[in-house]
Amino acid sequence: KQEVTQIPAALSVPEGENLVLNCSFTDSAIYNLQWFRQDPGKGLTSLLLIQSSQREQTSGRLNASLDKSSGRSTLYIAASQPGDSATYLCAVKNQAGTALIFGKGTTLSVSS
Amino acid sequence: GAVVSQHPSRVICKSGTSVKIECRSLDFQATTMFWYRQFPKQSLMLMATSNEGSKATYEQGVEKDKFLINHASLTLSTLTVTSAHPEDSSFYICSARELGDQETQYFGPGTRLLVL
Repeated sequence: KQEVTQIPAALSVPEGENLVLNCSFTDSAIYNLQWFRQDPGKGLTSLLLIQSSQREQTSGRLNASLDKSSGRSTLYIAASQPGDSATYLCAVKNQAGTALIFGKGTTLSVSS
Repeated sequence: GAVVSQHPSRVICKSGTSVKIECRSLDFQATTMFWYRQFPKQSLMLMATSNEGSKATYEQGVEKDKFLINHASLTLSTLTVTSAHPEDSSFYICSARELGDQETQYFGPGTRLLVL
């Protein structure tokens, strides 16, 4: 059974710092991997989607990498801002059309 | 972009009553909808997968007689929490997969359920 783990569970940084969030999954035979942002009490905002054949995806200050063979992904946030404060969720899809399986998330707090 | 709505956004009910949550795909046909539950500071846990016109497939440990799922049309799925108890208080999120799209799940904004 696929399990997704995110480290650290929480992270506090001053504004301007670059940071890395980690995600690992137990079954490397995934279809794709996706990073989401969730604000308190709110739904999900999709940030980046990486197909199993891809190594990384970039969007603005965000860069997500995927090492499928080792079962790992990282989300890199450059020049963090207070508005980046949220919970970041990593999710994997085992097969096309199946449901995403989520990690517990990393709660990020960026102080000004 | 594809939009998924949920109604209500927040509901408070008494223990023992039933609550229905609606999930709608507003501008696309959703052959498959997924229901997740999220407890405070926990991850989203998949409860069930529903395909239009057929019975839902429940994840291990989820009581199908307690969490009734109906997916009667390509734009609407409902989750009914029957005889709700305080431990059912949670954040329920649905997501929908568009006909022909194997990759993308569009998520609703979630429904906060509080059972007193």
